[in-house]
Amino acid sequence: QKEVEQNSGPLSVPEGAIASLNCTYSDRVSQSFFWYRQYSGKSPELIMSIYSNGDKEDGRFTAQLNKASQYVSLLIRDSQPSDSATYLCAVNPGVGRGNNRLAFGKGNQVVVIP
Amino acid sequence: NAGVTQTPKFQVLKTGQSMTLQCAQDMNHNSMYWYRQDPGMGLRLIYYSASEGTTDKGEVPNGYNVSRLNKREFSLRLESAAPSQTSVYFCASSESQGVRGYTFGSGTRLTVV
Repeated sequence: QKEVEQNSGPLSVPEGAIASLNCTYSDRVSQSFFWYRQYSGKSPELIMSIYSNGDKEDGRFTAQLNKASQYVSLLIRDSQPSDSATYLCAVNPGVGRGNNRLAFGKGNQVVVIP
Repeated sequence: NAGVTQTPKFQVLKTGQSMTLQCAQDMNHNSMYWYRQDPGMGLRLIYYSASEGTTDKGEVPNGYNVSRLNKREFSLRLESAAPSQTSVYFCASSESQGVRGYTFGSGTRLTVV
């Protein structure tokens, strides 16, 4: 089983709609969780981090964490064409675990249609 | 505040040539990483350095070497480039253990012909 899985294919959403991205992880004791946005030809940019169960909101972005079910999600409200990018989920297995490295999912492409 | 700086941004090599990709960070981070990113493969860790003076192999270390020159700088060397090493290379850094995530450099697009 891969450490971090993002199984959804490309996601097309109309402008103004909500884009919903999901990510599951295998290590139950993982400590911290991140969402990165990567525009085509650019480097990944950290947009959200979440450390405890529940929701965390930052502007139009909401990260949701459920450690019991081992998933983390990202909601993009009022989607804009500028949100068109690939979104990478990353999980930190915890201090002293995972050889000090984040585990990344392969990413989900989001296309916002004007 | 520059963050993570990578050089060069683009490079074309002939098979068998060698080159070094440079990375420097100014955030006083302890840990540094080299990734490659290929279509459909996601980010794959080549080497990392948890702290100054240490380096460790990642998922795909074959054909690469690294040097943690000091706390700021972490270089990646291709001794004899192969077409399979055509990729986009990202350097990243983090505070210890990466508990606040990584900061990535802008990347190096390498083509080996």
